[in-house]
Amino acid sequence: EAGVTQFPSHSVIEKGQTVTLRCDPISGHDNLYWYRRVMGKEIKFLLHFVKESKQDESGMPNNRFLAERTGGTYSTLKVQPAELEDSGVYFCASSQVGSIYEQYFGPGTRLTVT
Amino acid sequence: AQSVAQPEDQVNVAEGNPLTVKCTYSVSGNPYLFWYVQYPNRGLQFLLKYITGDNLVKGSYGFEAEFNKSQTSFHLKKPSALVSDSALYFCAVRDNTNAGKSTFGDGTTLTVKP
Repeated sequence: EAGVTQFPSHSVIEKGQTVTLRCDPISGHDNLYWYRRVMGKEIKFLLHFVKESKQDESGMPNNRFLAERTGGTYSTLKVQPAELEDSGVYFCASSQVGSIYEQYFGPGTRLTVT
Repeated sequence: AQSVAQPEDQVNVAEGNPLTVKCTYSVSGNPYLFWYVQYPNRGLQFLLKYITGDNLVKGSYGFEAEFNKSQTSFHLKKPSALVSDSALYFCAVRDNTNAGKSTFGDGTTLTVKP
């Protein structure tokens, strides 16, 4: 069974540019999460989809971040325009519905904004 | 609100010795607790979880963790460390009333020396 995949693995952009990150969850997982780890600190929650619906987006930093999950399959996270403080590693995770289930993480996208 | 503390940024042990990586948590409801490991350039991998039942849970690669409700702790342990256990370890908590986000600690870097 394929795991969670993320693309790209690494992105370097200039301040003010736009970047779109993609996540493909494990097939059959209705839950999809985005997290971010900045400067070696804790992994912070960004948002949670159940199928195509946003269940919780309380962790989204500001309106420069837009997440979508069309058709309840893959998800994209767009940062527009990017700022220096957006640099970090963005993780996607998926799980079965229910809080007892562990999350399966992708390898992450390392975003560097210069 | 839920939170996790991993008080040690770094843990160093000699190969063959027992290891402990500490984690304490705070949640408003009953906790669901998880340990994940991240190897270099890889995503987070699930190690083990506590949902209910026995306080001592066993997971992958010979790791185990003990849930202590009175001390609100969930320390990760292994009787005999291997050099290959060297990695970054994250503790996470989820409130059983919240089927969504997990809250992570800052991570602990484990180094096992030959």
